[in-house]
Amino acid sequence: DAKTTQPNSMESNEEEPVHLPCNHSTISGTDYIHWYRQLPSQGPEYVIHGLTSNVNNRMASLAIAEDRKSSTLILHRATLRDAAVYYCILTSYDKVIFGPGTSLSVIP
Amino acid sequence: EAGVTQFPSHSVIEKGQTVTLRCDPISGHDNLYWYRRVMGKEIKFLLHFVKESKQDESGMPNNRFLAERTGGTYSTLKVQPAELEDSGVYFCASSRWTGWNYGYTFGSGTRLTVV
Repeated sequence: DAKTTQPNSMESNEEEPVHLPCNHSTISGTDYIHWYRQLPSQGPEYVIHGLTSNVNNRMASLAIAEDRKSSTLILHRATLRDAAVYYCILTSYDKVIFGPGTSLSVIP
Repeated sequence: EAGVTQFPSHSVIEKGQTVTLRCDPISGHDNLYWYRRVMGKEIKFLLHFVKESKQDESGMPNNRFLAERTGGTYSTLKVQPAELEDSGVYFCASSRWTGWNYGYTFGSGTRLTVV
């Protein structure tokens, strides 16, 4: 099974960009890369996903390496509400493998 | 639309007792998933319902766990008898279509503590 590795924790200053890395060197050709985040006392919530090309939405951007062995979630301007655990997830159809998650702290 | 609702939000039980967790998915979502995170470990898949049928229960840890979804609406996850290692947070998620690429909505989870 493909697995992901992420830093345990990261810090960011408020209103600055944040780059959250994820390594998935054993990713298969059919695996999508999803990012979910978990705010305190809540369940995971969808952030963004992609297959090969970079993706943008109102919450974040996803940059995927050309060889797909790594990806980076980009929050363009961190706010205090972005403090959460961010999970990099590989999915193939309905099979899910959660990564360990990165705990992001945002400093006012 | 209302989100995925789970209750209770917290449950503390003694080892050997029975606990039933409930999940109400978003109305119209045929797919319902159970996941859990035990202390210090990653979130793990338990099982997947499509309507009332179990599509995949490969993640269920042992026969002390029983999941049902009668009528294809809400689902229950019963642990009987509970053991200390069952402590953790149990999440439910639902989606209208099968496949993670369509997006899943998670509930806030039930924190189970077995003492």
